[in-house]
Amino acid sequence: GAVVSQHPSRVICKSGTSVKIECRSLDFQATTMFWYRQFPKKSLMLMATSNEGSKATYEQGVEKDKFLINHASLTLSTLTVTSAHPEDSSFYICSASPIWTKNTEAFFGQGTRLTVV
Amino acid sequence: GEDVEQSLFLSVREGDSSVINCTYTDSSSTYLYWYKQEPGAGLQLLTYIFSNMDMKQDQRLTVLLNKKDKHLSLRIADTQTGDSAIYFCAERRGRDDKIIFGKGTRLHILP
Repeated sequence: GAVVSQHPSRVICKSGTSVKIECRSLDFQATTMFWYRQFPKKSLMLMATSNEGSKATYEQGVEKDKFLINHASLTLSTLTVTSAHPEDSSFYICSASPIWTKNTEAFFGQGTRLTVV
Repeated sequence: GEDVEQSLFLSVREGDSSVINCTYTDSSSTYLYWYKQEPGAGLQLLTYIFSNMDMKQDQRLTVLLNKKDKHLSLRIADTQTGDSAIYFCAERRGRDDKIIFGKGTRLHILP
C-alpha cells in the first residue's frame, strides 16, 4: 500500500521555540494532505487541510499563525508549531490520499509525539 | 451535528466475535472507514465501505452499513490477542473530503 512518512516521530523542545514536522508521501502524489491532533484519551481532531500550491484551510478554533502549514510539493507538507507551549504537547498525525484513488483511501503517517518542556 | 459516535470500551473473549458499533450524522458521507491504532503506533486502515453498499467482507472483518439509521458496524470474527487495539470509525464528507473520526473503541481481549 501507499506509504506516508512523518518526521520526526518524537521531539522534545523548550517552551518558546518552534518545531517543524514533515509529512511525506513516499510512493505517490497527493494534492491534499490533512493534519490531525490527538489528545490523550480523545479522538483525532482535524486541524487543517493542506493544499499543494495554495493556502491551508484551518478548522474552527485552530490558530493559523501558531500552526503554520506549507505544502510546497505534491509529496511534502510541513506543520510548524511556532512559539510552542506545554499545552501544545500532543500527538500530531498527517494523512494523504493518492491521486489515483480519487480520495477514496487515506493513508496516515506514523505520527509525531511533541513534548514541550 | 458533527459527531461520529462510538462506545469507548469493548471486552471480548479470545475466539469470540467482536462487534464495534458507530453512528454518524452526515447523510452525504461518501465513504466510511475503520482504522486500527495499536499502542504507540499510528493509524492503520482496516477497511472502508462506499455509502451505497450495505455490507463488505474482508477475511475476518465484516462491515455492515445501515444508511437509513446512519449506523456502521465492524465485526471481527475469531478475535485474537493481536486484535487488541483502539478502533476508530470515520466518515469522509464535504467537498474537500475531510475525514471525521469517532473517539475510538478500545477493544480488550479476555483470555
